Parts: sequence; structure tokens; C-alpha cells
Amino acid sequence: SYVLTQPPSVSVAPGQTARITCGGNNIGSKNVNWHQQKPGQAPVLVVYDNSDRPSGIPERFSGSNSGNTATLTISRVEAGDEADYYCQVWDNSGDWVFGGGTKLTVL
Amino acid sequence: QVQLVESGGGVVQPGRSLTLSCAASGFSFNKYGMHWVRQAPGKGLEWVALITYDGKSKYYADSVKGRFTVSRDNSENTLFLQMSSLAAEDTAIYYCARDVSTRCRGDCPPDYWGQGTLVSVSS
Repeated sequence: SYVLTQPPSVSVAPGQTARITCGGNNIGSKNVNWHQQKPGQAPVLVVYDNSDRPSGIPERFSGSNSGNTATLTISRVEAGDEADYYCQVWDNSGDWVFGGGTKLTVL
Repeated sequence: QVQLVESGGGVVQPGRSLTLSCAASGFSFNKYGMHWVRQAPGKGLEWVALITYDGKSKYYADSVKGRFTVSRDNSENTLFLQMSSLAAEDTAIYYCARDVSTRCRGDCPPDYWGQGTLVSVSS
């Protein structure tokens, strides 16, 4: 089955830009979605179809996808952005796949 | 507003069965596909199953295929997950989640998630 690889952790100072990557074989040919999960809470979709944002998600959250890497970019990082982030794709066989997750720490 | 409330979790012995429910409100349930996703304690998210808005198509992760069955009752705005032959590795919080768009055929990600129900498989 399709495998998505994320770095276990990313750290960034408040006000800076965080970039979380998601690697997969020719992932650029797929639509990538990103979910945010804060401790003790249910996940929230923050980016879907590579770069679209659901209503209510700040413009600070953006996504890109090309080649073998998709990236979630969080601009002007705030303390409230500290969370686990998961990438997700549909592998065309009816299966949905999640990456292992990346813990974003705001220093 | 969109609300998804899971129920039916609890402690169950290995090899036994359990059925989870997800009560939906605040949207036209019969227009949205629904997912089940689980999260083992301290671990990441694992997609479990999906049912299209009309119930005509169902998809399962390999890890649960043949043991779990997803279904829905559009007249009662409720999603179900029947789980059988449960094992310790099925221990997790089980979330139900709604497709981001209407009338998808299995290719839409989930946007709204419930708060989850904990299933613990232990003797």
C-alpha cells in the first residue's frame, strides 16, 4: 500500500514560518490533505486538495504539492498552532492513507 | 452547526464483537459520505472505513477487512461500525468524520470529526 513519510517533529519560533513535509512516491499526482490535532482533541482539516482551505481556517495555513513531496506551510506561527499534523491521500484503490504525523513545537 | 457524536465504545474481550454508532446533526446527512478513523493510544491516525452518501459503496482498510462492517441509516442520521473478532491491536479511539463535499464517491477527505469513542480490547 501507499506510504507517506513525515518528519516526527518540527520546531519554530513564534512569528516565523513552519514547513511540514509529507513524502510519497509521485505524491504530486495525488491530492493531499492536512489535518491538525491538538492534545486531547479531535482532528481538524486545515488544507485539502493540496492547497484549499475549509471555511474558518486562517490564510496563514497553505499547502503545496509537487514531485515526491507535499508541504504544509504555516506563516506567522502562533502558540496556538502547536499540534500534531497529519498528511493524508486517497490511493485510488478506495483506501485512504495517513502519514505518521509531525509534532509542531512553538519555541 | 455540524455535530457528530460517537457512542458504543467500552471494554470488550478479545474475539468478541462491538457496534459503534455515530449520531449526526446540523447537516444533510444523506448527502455526505462518512469515514471511521481510529487512533491507538499515543499513536497516529489510521483510516478504518468509508461509506458513500447513498450507502452503495463501502471501503475498508486491509487491517479490518472481513471483520468490520460499516453501514448507515439515512432516515435516522446515524452511522454504524460493526466490529467482530476484536483483538488487542484494535484498541483505539474511534472517530467518525464527514466528507468535505457532498455526493463524493469515496475520494473526498473528511472535514468535521466527532470527539471519538474509546474501544479497549482486553481480557
